Amino acid sequence: DAGVIQSPRHEVTEMGQEVTLRCKPISGHDYLFWYRQTMMRGLELLIYFNNNVPIDDSGMPEDRFSAKMPNASFSTLKIQPSEPRDSAVYFCASRLWSGDEAFFGQGTRLTVV
Amino acid sequence: LAKTTQPISMDSYEGQEVNITCSHNNIATNDYITWYQQFPSQGPRFIIQGYKTKVTNEVASLFIPADRKSSTLSLPRVSLSDTAVYYCLVGPNDYKLSFGAGTTVTVRA
Repeated sequence: DAGVIQSPRHEVTEMGQEVTLRCKPISGHDYLFWYRQTMMRGLELLIYFNNNVPIDDSGMPEDRFSAKMPNASFSTLKIQPSEPRDSAVYFCASRLWSGDEAFFGQGTRLTVV
Repeated sequence: LAKTTQPISMDSYEGQEVNITCSHNNIATNDYITWYQQFPSQGPRFIIQGYKTKVTNEVASLFIPADRKSSTLSLPRVSLSDTAVYYCLVGPNDYKLSFGAGTTVTVRA
């Protein structure tokens, strides 16, 4: 397996635009996590899914953020409208079962200008 | 989830052993202790997990005393490439993988 795949690797957008980040988890993994990392706030858990169902979205900062997992092999994190303070590295991770190790993607570096 | 406390940073030199202690006084009976490593510009990577006593793999050792209120990650003979942030996580098998601030380990030549 190629591991967790995120796209794009880098995204630069203007304030107010919609941004969609994509993640393909490792095949067969039941859990998928979305994180945001900044120097100021560290690595924040935004939302996680189990078997494509959102389990905990308490980390989603506000209504501008939404995440979906339409099937076991694909998830999106959408920001609409984007703001400069959304600039960060966004990571996706997946794991096989609840106690197993998690595998992270390479991240998407988002810059909102 | 049990709260964890670990040093913000540690400095070491190549060839030395690095020990990072994580405090988790409120650890529950069904909680596991897991450590992740994160290099700059990369996502975290699983290092080791344990429940009690000692666990060792090719990368590190994890020491957990009988009361389980703390744990120590031991990195033997570090090299420059071990410079990274190390995170201690404590939770049950269904925990939601929340990361704290971690410990920044800097290895110098």
